Amino acid sequence: SYVLTQPPSVSVAPGKTARITCGGNNIGSKSVHWYQQKPGQAPVLVIYYDSDRPSGIPERFSGSNSGNTATLTISRVEAGDEADYYCQVWDSSSDHPGVVFGGGTKLTVL
Amino acid sequence: QVQLQESGPGLVKPSETLSLTCAVSGYSISSGYYWGWIRQPPGKGLEWIGSIYHSGSTYYNPSLKSRVTISVDTSKNQFSLKLSSVTAADTAVYYCAREIVGATHLFDYWGQGTLVTVSS
Repeated sequence: SYVLTQPPSVSVAPGKTARITCGGNNIGSKSVHWYQQKPGQAPVLVIYYDSDRPSGIPERFSGSNSGNTATLTISRVEAGDEADYYCQVWDSSSDHPGVVFGGGTKLTVL
Repeated sequence: QVQLQESGPGLVKPSETLSLTCAVSGYSISSGYYWGWIRQPPGKGLEWIGSIYHSGSTYYNPSLKSRVTISVDTSKNQFSLKLSSVTAADTAVYYCAREIVGATHLFDYWGQGTLVTVSS
């Protein structure tokens, strides 16, 4: 089955740029979606189709995807961005296609 | 505004069947989209369980397929999850979500989640 690998944690100072990676075999050939989850809350879609933002998501959130790595970039990080972030793809390459999530990355704002 | 709300027992005994329902408001299930279940064990990541279309067409996570049944009731605008032969490893927050399906799949609206504990 397809595996998505995320760093367990990323730390960044307020006002700086955070980059959260999501690794997978030839992930650049898939569409990647990103979710933000704050403690005790349901996940919220923040990026879809690699780099599109849903209505209401700040422009500070952006995404890219190429080769074996997709990246969620958060510019001008704020304290309110502290959360867990998950990448997700649809794996149609195996005998049993399905939804795959990465293990999640905890973003800490210093 | 689309809203989803999970409901069901918060405590299930080992070897029994976990049953949850997701009530949808603000959108008619019969109008389209897939509808999915995702779970999250305490302190861990997200795991997709399975999804259903309003026609009843389903697809499941292969690792859970033998124990999972997802059904839909369009008259009540809700869909349900049954997970059989549960163990402590099935203890998790269970989320329902609306699933956009095309060349890819993603979840745009989520319920608040409900914690299910498996314990005797």
